[in-house]
Amino acid sequence: EAGVAQSPRYKIIEKRQSVAFWCNPISGHATLYWYQQILGQGPKLLIQFQNNGVVDDSQLPKDRFSAERLKGVDSTLKIQPAKLEDSAVYLCASSLAVTLVDRNEQFFGPGTRLTVL
Amino acid sequence: EDKVVQSPLSLVVHEGDTVTLNCSYEVTNFRSLLWYKQEKKAPTFLFMLTSSGIEKKSGRLSSILDKKELFSILNITATQTGDSAVYLCAGAVALGGGSQGNLIFGKGTKLSVKP
Repeated sequence: EAGVAQSPRYKIIEKRQSVAFWCNPISGHATLYWYQQILGQGPKLLIQFQNNGVVDDSQLPKDRFSAERLKGVDSTLKIQPAKLEDSAVYLCASSLAVTLVDRNEQFFGPGTRLTVL
Repeated sequence: EDKVVQSPLSLVVHEGDTVTLNCSYEVTNFRSLLWYKQEKKAPTFLFMLTSSGIEKKSGRLSSILDKKELFSILNITATQTGDSAVYLCAGAVALGGGSQGNLIFGKGTKLSVKP
């Protein structure tokens, strides 16, 4: 089974520039998550999609971050304009279940490491 | 505010030692607790614990959840250098309407196993 795919793997930009990340979840997974992991911290949820609808975006800085999941499969996360504090690894994860089930673990992609100079 | 606290933050042991990693949580609408292993890449799933007192095992790793005291432990016996990683604990939130919510992660425990 193919895992969660993300691209690019690394990105270096200057502050105030824009950047976009792409995620392709495991086939058939209804739920998709974007996390931000700052060095030395655990991942923090930015946004959760269920199919193509947003379930939770309460921690997404909406003045600069946006995300979409058209057709309920691939997703993109955009930052515009980037700030120095956005330097982090951006992880995409997906899970199978739509409702509460015991095996609803999340599978993570390799992440995109963003450096903002 | 929901939070997950792991201890210790870092740990250095020698091969063959047994280690216990701790995780306490305060998560509103708690659904389950998950453990992940993170090397120099994305977290990989280890365990999901939903019920108290039931130990889950996978090889030399085992974990148990105490929903009354709001904590979990991860045990690794006969440690090997390949166990060196950051171990992340996360509480899963249950959303309304039967939906699965997000994970609240701790900062992780960095385990270093020396030969």
